[in-house]
Amino acid sequence: AQKVTQAQTEISVVEKEDVTLDCVYETRDTTYYLFWYKQPPSGELVFLIRRNSFDEQNEISGRYSWNFQKSTSSFNFTITASQVVDSAVYFCALGSVSNTGKLIFGQGTTLQVKP
Amino acid sequence: DGGITQSPKYLFRKEGQNVTLSCEQNLNHDAMYWYRQDPGQGLRLIYYSQIVNDFQKGDIAEGYSVSREKKESFPLTVTSAQKNPTAFYLCASSITSRGSGEQFFGPGTRLTVL
Repeated sequence: AQKVTQAQTEISVVEKEDVTLDCVYETRDTTYYLFWYKQPPSGELVFLIRRNSFDEQNEISGRYSWNFQKSTSSFNFTITASQVVDSAVYFCALGSVSNTGKLIFGQGTTLQVKP
Repeated sequence: DGGITQSPKYLFRKEGQNVTLSCEQNLNHDAMYWYRQDPGQGLRLIYYSQIVNDFQKGDIAEGYSVSREKKESFPLTVTSAQKNPTAFYLCASSITSRGSGEQFFGPGTRLTVL
């Protein structure tokens, strides 16, 4: 069975702090894809990143960075120097060819960045 | 602008009524999906369609129905058989159903049963 676990339900930080959102996944597929989405208060999910299972390179995009470790089945997301606009619910998701395009979502982590 | 539109944004339904939520995309994507989101929970898949005139049940299909007569459109009907329909409904599409492509989401419809 495939599963995504985001153990942190809610995180609260003060602006400019760094924050890491954890994501642990389970799958028996050798080829799979990991995603992060942001859901601001408006409700629409915004795509942030996709990672293939055969590419463990970490990625940085501005203040965002992602750490993919197959050895621990984790795909963690770090926001550096957080800002109030980062306040949102963040979802980690898992997809695979064997699952015909369906994404398995974690429960989400609500991030609140206080000024 | 390319994207996904959902209408209406808010929908109120009386118990026992069927309602249809609209989802349209102009991204030329093959696959489309419907998710349900309850407060404090992740997204759960209701139905998905990999190609026109074909669709499959997701994890919570009971009480819902869909159609895919056109590539651009994937409407969701919430029937009176759905016992607890109050939720936020999100439609998504992806260029392929092979699991490798990201899904793009619409703005959602918030359904409330009165």
